[in-house]
Amino acid sequence: AQSVAQPEDQVNVAEGNPLTVKCTYSVSGNPYLFWYVQYPNRGLQFLLKYITGDNLVKGSYGFEAEFNKSQTSFHLKKPSALVSDSALYFCAVSALRAGGSYIPTFGRGTSLIVHP
Amino acid sequence: DAGVIQSPRHEVTEMGQEVTLRCKPISGHNSLFWYRQTMMRGLELLIYFNNNVPIDDSGMPEDRFSAKMPNASFSTLKIQPSEPRDSAVYFCASSGGRDSTDTQYFGPGTRLTVL
Repeated sequence: AQSVAQPEDQVNVAEGNPLTVKCTYSVSGNPYLFWYVQYPNRGLQFLLKYITGDNLVKGSYGFEAEFNKSQTSFHLKKPSALVSDSALYFCAVSALRAGGSYIPTFGRGTSLIVHP
Repeated sequence: DAGVIQSPRHEVTEMGQEVTLRCKPISGHNSLFWYRQTMMRGLELLIYFNNNVPIDDSGMPEDRFSAKMPNASFSTLKIQPSEPRDSAVYFCASSGGRDSTDTQYFGPGTRLTVL
C-alpha cells in the first residue's frame, strides 16, 4: 500500500522568509510525486511533480521540491514567501498498482500561513 | 479549455433525498476521479474511471453511493438516500495518459449540505 505523511497541520512563516512544507511517502516501486495547492473555496491546482531525473524540481509561483530517495521525502520549498502563498498544500504519491493502474494517494494537507 | 466543470456548485438537501453531482472532464482526458473532502477525513478518493470504465471503486462509502460515466465527456455521482454525514465538498478531477501518472486537474467542487 502507498501512503503519504504531511507531519505538520500548519506552517507559519513571515513574508520574505524561506518556507518548507514537509512530505514523506511510502510506496512499492518507483514513486511519482506531486504537490498541489488549494485556495479557499477552490479545487486543487497542480504545482509541480517528480517523475524521474533531476531530484530538484521547479514548479509554479517560484516553488520547488527536492526528491530524496533515501529519506523517502519530497519537501516543498520556496526561498521567499509571499502573503498570497497562504493556502492548503497537498503532497501526493502515485505508483503502479496491481492491475496496471496508477492511482494517487494524497496527504492530509498542510495549511501554510504567511504573515505580513 | 474551460477546465473541469462541476455542477451544481452548492447543493442543500434534506436527509433521505437523492442527490446527483455532475462532472465534465477536460476534453481528451481519459481518466476521471471523484473525491470527497471533509475536515475530519481530508481528501478521499471515491472512484476512478479509465476510458469510461470504473477501475477502482473501493473508496465508495456504501451502496448509497453510485457513479457512472456514460461517455468520455460526462460523469455523475449519485447519493440515494442522502444522510447528514454525506455533507462534504465533492471534487471531480481528470487526467490524460494511458496510465494516469499524469497531473490531475480538479474542478471547483460541489459543496453538499444534507440537513
